[in-house]
Amino acid sequence: DVKVTQSSRYLVKRTGEKVFLECVQDMDHENMFWYRQDPGLGLRLIYFSYDVKMKEKGDIPEGYSVSREKKERFSLILESASTNQTSMYLCASRDLGTDTQYFGPGTRLTVL
Amino acid sequence: QKEVEQNSGPLSVPEGAIASLNCTYSDRGSQSFFWYRQYSGKSPELIMSIYSNGDKEDGRFTAQLNKASQYVSLLIRDSQPSDSATYLCAVRLDYKLSFGAGTTVTVRA
Repeated sequence: DVKVTQSSRYLVKRTGEKVFLECVQDMDHENMFWYRQDPGLGLRLIYFSYDVKMKEKGDIPEGYSVSREKKERFSLILESASTNQTSMYLCASRDLGTDTQYFGPGTRLTVL
Repeated sequence: QKEVEQNSGPLSVPEGAIASLNCTYSDRGSQSFFWYRQYSGKSPELIMSIYSNGDKEDGRFTAQLNKASQYVSLLIRDSQPSDSATYLCAVRLDYKLSFGAGTTVTVRA
Protein backbone atom coordinates (compact mmCIF):
# COMPACT_ATOMS: atom_id res chain seq x y z
CA ASP A 1 0.00 0.00 0.00
CA VAL A 2 1.16 3.51 -0.82
CA LYS A 3 1.67 5.54 2.28
CA VAL A 4 1.93 9.31 2.50
CA THR A 5 2.43 10.61 6.01
CA GLN A 6 2.41 14.14 7.37
CA SER A 7 4.20 15.21 10.50
CA SER A 8 1.21 16.62 12.39
CA ARG A 9 -2.57 16.27 12.21
CA TYR A 10 -3.20 19.49 14.10
CA LEU A 11 -0.92 22.47 14.59
CA VAL A 12 -1.48 25.82 16.32
CA LYS A 13 1.01 28.61 15.69
CA ARG A 14 1.24 32.31 16.35
CA THR A 15 1.40 35.07 13.75
CA GLY A 16 4.96 35.64 12.58
CA GLU A 17 6.25 32.18 13.53
CA LYS A 18 8.16 30.06 11.02
CA VAL A 19 6.24 26.85 10.38
CA PHE A 20 7.49 23.59 8.88
CA LEU A 21 5.11 20.98 7.51
CA GLU A 22 6.73 17.68 6.65
CA CYS A 23 5.53 15.05 4.22
CA VAL A 24 7.04 11.62 3.59
CA GLN A 25 6.08 9.01 1.00
CA ASP A 26 7.34 5.46 0.92
CA MET A 27 6.81 4.52 -2.74
CA ASP A 28 9.75 6.17 -4.49
CA HIS A 29 7.45 8.61 -6.33
CA GLU A 30 9.17 11.42 -8.21
CA ASN A 31 6.27 13.88 -8.09
CA MET A 32 5.09 15.41 -4.84
CA PHE A 33 2.61 18.20 -4.16
CA TRP A 34 1.39 20.58 -1.48
CA TYR A 35 -2.23 21.80 -1.49
CA ARG A 36 -4.35 23.79 0.84
CA GLN A 37 -8.07 23.15 1.17
CA ASP A 38 -10.54 25.79 2.25
CA PRO A 39 -14.37 25.58 2.34
CA GLY A 40 -15.90 26.60 -0.96
CA LEU A 41 -12.52 26.92 -2.66
CA GLY A 42 -11.56 23.29 -3.04
CA LEU A 43 -7.95 22.16 -3.21
CA ARG A 44 -5.49 24.73 -4.46
CA LEU A 45 -1.95 23.86 -5.47
CA ILE A 46 0.77 25.70 -3.55
CA TYR A 47 3.94 24.03 -4.88
CA PHE A 48 4.95 20.84 -6.55
CA SER A 49 8.21 19.01 -7.05
CA TYR A 50 8.84 16.72 -10.00
CA ASP A 51 12.14 15.42 -8.66
CA VAL A 52 14.71 15.90 -5.90
CA LYS A 53 15.75 19.54 -5.58
CA MET A 54 13.27 20.51 -8.33
CA LYS A 55 10.24 22.64 -7.53
CA GLU A 56 7.61 24.62 -9.36
CA LYS A 57 5.16 27.21 -8.10
CA GLY A 58 1.53 26.28 -8.13
CA ASP A 59 -1.45 28.61 -8.12
CA ILE A 60 -0.93 30.20 -4.69
CA PRO A 61 2.78 30.14 -3.75
CA GLU A 62 2.87 33.53 -2.03
CA GLY A 63 3.96 33.26 1.59
CA TYR A 64 5.23 29.70 1.16
CA SER A 65 8.45 27.98 0.22
CA VAL A 66 9.37 24.31 -0.15
CA SER A 67 12.32 22.01 0.19
CA ARG A 68 13.00 18.61 -1.38
CA GLU A 69 16.42 17.36 -0.41
CA LYS A 70 15.49 13.67 -0.53
CA LYS A 71 13.11 11.88 -2.85
CA GLU A 72 10.79 10.68 -0.10
CA ARG A 73 10.45 13.98 1.76
CA PHE A 74 8.80 17.23 0.69
CA SER A 75 8.59 20.09 3.19
CA LEU A 76 6.36 23.15 3.13
CA ILE A 77 7.62 26.22 4.93
CA LEU A 78 5.66 29.22 6.05
CA GLU A 79 8.37 31.83 6.58
CA SER A 80 6.18 34.11 8.70
CA ALA A 81 2.78 32.64 9.43
CA SER A 82 -0.26 34.83 9.03
CA THR A 83 -3.89 34.29 10.03
CA ASN A 84 -4.96 33.91 6.39
CA GLN A 85 -2.80 30.79 6.23
CA THR A 86 -5.12 29.01 8.63
CA SER A 87 -6.22 26.04 6.55
CA MET A 88 -6.06 22.31 5.93
CA TYR A 89 -2.77 21.41 4.23
CA LEU A 90 -2.62 18.25 2.15
CA CYS A 91 0.47 16.62 0.76
CA ALA A 92 0.30 14.20 -2.16
CA SER A 93 2.59 12.05 -4.23
CA ARG A 94 1.96 10.75 -7.71
CA ASP A 95 2.59 7.36 -9.22
CA LEU A 96 3.63 8.12 -12.79
CA GLY A 97 2.95 4.56 -13.90
CA THR A 98 -0.70 4.49 -12.85
CA ASP A 99 -1.23 8.28 -13.03
CA THR A 100 -2.63 8.12 -9.51
CA GLN A 101 -2.15 10.80 -6.89
CA TYR A 102 -2.19 9.70 -3.26
CA PHE A 103 -2.90 12.08 -0.41
CA GLY A 104 -1.61 12.22 3.11
CA PRO A 105 -4.01 12.59 6.05
CA GLY A 106 -3.65 16.38 6.14
CA THR A 107 -2.48 18.93 8.69
CA ARG A 108 -5.02 21.35 10.06
CA LEU A 109 -3.05 24.51 10.79
CA THR A 110 -4.45 27.32 12.89
CA VAL A 111 -2.55 30.61 13.02
CA LEU A 112 -3.56 32.85 15.93
CA GLN B 1 -13.36 31.19 -15.54
CA LYS B 2 -12.40 28.47 -13.08
CA GLU B 3 -10.35 25.62 -14.49
CA VAL B 4 -12.70 22.97 -13.11
CA GLU B 5 -16.32 23.60 -12.16
CA GLN B 6 -18.75 21.23 -10.49
CA ASN B 7 -22.47 21.45 -9.87
CA SER B 8 -22.60 23.10 -6.50
CA GLY B 9 -24.91 20.79 -4.60
CA PRO B 10 -25.49 19.71 -1.96
CA LEU B 11 -27.15 16.70 -3.50
CA SER B 12 -29.55 14.60 -1.45
CA VAL B 13 -30.70 11.25 -2.81
CA PRO B 14 -32.71 8.38 -1.27
CA GLU B 15 -30.97 5.09 -0.63
CA GLY B 16 -31.00 2.94 -3.75
CA ALA B 17 -31.32 5.87 -6.16
CA ILE B 18 -28.83 7.14 -8.72
CA ALA B 19 -26.66 10.13 -7.81
CA SER B 20 -25.45 12.16 -10.80
CA LEU B 21 -22.46 14.48 -10.51
CA ASN B 22 -21.25 16.83 -13.22
CA CYS B 23 -18.01 18.62 -13.96
CA THR B 24 -16.74 20.89 -16.73
CA TYR B 25 -13.17 21.95 -17.41
CA SER B 26 -11.70 24.85 -19.33
CA ASP B 27 -8.44 23.58 -20.87
CA ARG B 28 -8.91 21.47 -24.01
CA GLY B 29 -5.40 20.09 -23.61
CA SER B 30 -6.30 18.31 -20.36
CA GLN B 31 -5.08 14.76 -20.42
CA SER B 32 -6.56 12.78 -17.54
CA PHE B 33 -9.73 13.01 -15.51
CA PHE B 34 -10.45 11.77 -12.01
CA TRP B 35 -13.11 11.53 -9.37
CA TYR B 36 -12.05 11.61 -5.73
CA ARG B 37 -14.22 10.94 -2.71
CA GLN B 38 -13.60 12.81 0.53
CA TYR B 39 -15.29 11.90 3.78
CA SER B 40 -15.64 14.62 6.38
CA GLY B 41 -12.33 15.17 8.18
CA LYS B 42 -10.45 12.81 5.85
CA SER B 43 -8.22 13.28 2.83
CA PRO B 44 -9.38 12.64 -0.75
CA GLU B 45 -9.20 9.10 -2.13
CA LEU B 46 -9.33 8.18 -5.79
CA ILE B 47 -12.42 6.29 -6.92
CA MET B 48 -12.33 6.61 -10.72
CA SER B 49 -9.99 7.72 -13.47
CA ILE B 50 -10.91 8.11 -17.14
CA TYR B 51 -8.74 9.03 -20.11
CA SER B 52 -10.79 8.60 -23.29
CA ASN B 53 -14.26 9.55 -24.45
CA GLY B 54 -17.08 7.31 -23.37
CA ASP B 55 -18.09 5.45 -20.25
CA LYS B 56 -16.03 3.59 -17.70
CA GLU B 57 -17.71 1.41 -15.13
CA ASP B 58 -16.34 0.17 -11.81
CA GLY B 59 -18.87 -1.54 -9.60
CA ARG B 60 -21.63 0.93 -8.78
CA PHE B 61 -19.68 3.86 -10.23
CA THR B 62 -19.70 5.00 -13.86
CA ALA B 63 -17.56 7.84 -15.14
CA GLN B 64 -18.38 9.51 -18.45
CA LEU B 65 -16.07 11.74 -20.48
CA ASN B 66 -16.91 13.98 -23.42
CA LYS B 67 -13.81 15.88 -24.51
CA ALA B 68 -15.63 17.82 -27.22
CA SER B 69 -17.97 19.27 -24.61
CA GLN B 70 -15.23 19.36 -21.97
CA TYR B 71 -17.50 17.50 -19.61
CA VAL B 72 -16.98 14.73 -17.07
CA SER B 73 -19.65 13.07 -15.01
CA LEU B 74 -19.96 10.45 -12.30
CA LEU B 75 -22.99 8.26 -11.71
CA ILE B 76 -23.41 6.37 -8.46
CA ARG B 77 -25.97 3.61 -8.83
CA ASP B 78 -27.84 2.00 -5.93
CA SER B 79 -26.62 4.76 -3.61
CA GLN B 80 -25.78 3.68 -0.07
CA PRO B 81 -25.47 5.74 3.13
CA SER B 82 -21.73 5.02 2.97
CA ASP B 83 -21.60 7.02 -0.27
CA SER B 84 -22.38 10.20 1.69
CA ALA B 85 -19.28 12.32 1.10
CA THR B 86 -17.90 15.18 -0.95
CA TYR B 87 -16.92 14.22 -4.50
CA LEU B 88 -14.11 16.11 -6.15
CA CYS B 89 -13.59 16.27 -9.89
CA ALA B 90 -9.92 16.62 -10.90
CA VAL B 91 -8.33 17.27 -14.27
CA ARG B 92 -4.66 16.81 -15.12
CA LEU B 93 -2.64 18.96 -17.50
CA ASP B 94 1.05 17.99 -17.49
CA TYR B 95 2.14 17.82 -13.84
CA LYS B 96 -0.73 19.80 -12.47
CA LEU B 97 -3.95 18.36 -11.12
CA SER B 98 -6.70 20.98 -10.84
CA PHE B 99 -9.69 20.31 -8.60
CA GLY B 100 -13.26 21.47 -8.57
CA ALA B 101 -14.74 22.78 -5.33
CA GLY B 102 -16.60 19.52 -4.78
CA THR B 103 -20.19 18.35 -4.57
CA THR B 104 -21.49 17.08 -1.25
CA VAL B 105 -23.75 14.05 -1.55
CA THR B 106 -26.05 12.87 1.22
CA VAL B 107 -27.78 9.51 0.86
CA ARG B 108 -30.99 9.35 2.91
CA ALA B 109 -31.78 5.99 4.47
